[in-house]
Amino acid sequence: AQSVTQLDSQVPVFEEAPVELRCNYSSSVSVYLFWYVQYPNQGLQLLLKYLSGSTLVKGINGFEAEFNKSQTSFHLRKPSVHISDTAEYFCAVSVSSSGGSYIPTFGRGTSLIVHP
Amino acid sequence: NAGVTQTPKFQVLKTGQSMTLQCAQDMNHNSMYWYRQDPGMGLRLIYYSASEGTTDKGEVPNGYNVSRLNKREFSLRLESAAPSQTSVYFCATRGGEQFFGPGTRLTVL
Repeated sequence: AQSVTQLDSQVPVFEEAPVELRCNYSSSVSVYLFWYVQYPNQGLQLLLKYLSGSTLVKGINGFEAEFNKSQTSFHLRKPSVHISDTAEYFCAVSVSSSGGSYIPTFGRGTSLIVHP
Repeated sequence: NAGVTQTPKFQVLKTGQSMTLQCAQDMNHNSMYWYRQDPGMGLRLIYYSASEGTTDKGEVPNGYNVSRLNKREFSLRLESAAPSQTSVYFCATRGGEQFFGPGTRLTVL
């Protein structure tokens, strides 16, 4: 079974500063990797995904993430954050089940708090 | 296109009452999922349906039942609600990149 660890439950940062949200995973098989964002009282929406190919993945709103297979990590970064980036961020992995469907596993989330 | 819709948005139940949460999608996706979200716990999978006519248990299925009515609709039923089922419930489609509904906030007193 796969698991996802988001190393920080809360990350405070000042506006225009860089930020990194950390995610490590474990799996015995190949995985697909995702970052989702959740704004207050809303559902989750996709920020970016790694399926294959280039290990540096760019997403929406200026976010990017790097897949590191040897360290089983998929950290999310943004060079300059804005107040509007304040939200909950979830890392997720998805593997194929024996029946052919995909079973996602989510981390516990990191609350990004951007201060003016 | 509405994407993934959930009803109701809010619900308050008393212990022992039953209710059904509805989810519908117009994205023509085969697989559908039910999660619960609790503070500090992330999203935990309750049940999923890989295709019409099939359902499987996820990580936390106890106290819940599901029905995949057709390709569009996937309902979650609480037969006898307990305070431990107070949570926000999300429906999602697809198993790789997922598409989420807006959620149902359920309180069990």
